Amino acid sequence: GENVEQHPSTLSVQEGDSAVIKCTYSDSASNYFPWYKQELGKRPQLIIDIRSNVGEKKDQRIAVTLNKTAKHFSLHITETQPEDSAVYFCAATPSPYNFNKFYFGSGTKLNVKP
Amino acid sequence: EAQVTQNPRYLITVTGKKLTVTCSQNMNHEYMSWYRQDPGLGLRQIYYSMNVEVTDKGDVPEGYKVSRKEKRNFPLILESPSPNQTSLYFCASSLSGQGSDTQYFGPGTRLTVL
Repeated sequence: GENVEQHPSTLSVQEGDSAVIKCTYSDSASNYFPWYKQELGKRPQLIIDIRSNVGEKKDQRIAVTLNKTAKHFSLHITETQPEDSAVYFCAATPSPYNFNKFYFGSGTKLNVKP
Repeated sequence: EAQVTQNPRYLITVTGKKLTVTCSQNMNHEYMSWYRQDPGLGLRQIYYSMNVEVTDKGDVPEGYKVSRKEKRNFPLILESPSPNQTSLYFCASSLSGQGSDTQYFGPGTRLTVL
């Protein structure tokens, strides 16, 4: 099955700096890549997603880039704020026809220092 | 209020004692899924369901059962729990399981098997 690797496992940045989290996947058939944010003690929530026919997607301070050839995708957070502190998970779904099975990365704990 | 609910939120049990964790959604979603979250491993999919009476295995189905007799409910059954099933469990749902649909997660159930 699919294997999703996520790096780094922890990331500490100063408020206002940018943060980048990278994920690689193994199944070239994967074509949907969501990112989830999980605050301490809370449930995961979707923050942005990208499909394989798109190279980049942006939503305010958050952007995701996808390199299908290299099989990796990244989450970029600019102008980080303390409320961005959370665990971020990437995911991939391998089916090109429907998106039933999800494979998650191991998570990145982001700490934004005021 | 649109939501995914899980019960119980916390459960401590002993090895071999059958238990059921309930999941219910009030959004008329077709797709429902169960995940377990363990430190350093991210979220791993246990089972998912595309609709009533349609279920399939995720990445880690061993030791679990599910049923989908009604659209709104997707219970997770542990027939004979073992300590390695101690984990944080999340139920999730989305409109159709297609890539364009956001997955909404329940609040989580923390299970401890002694």
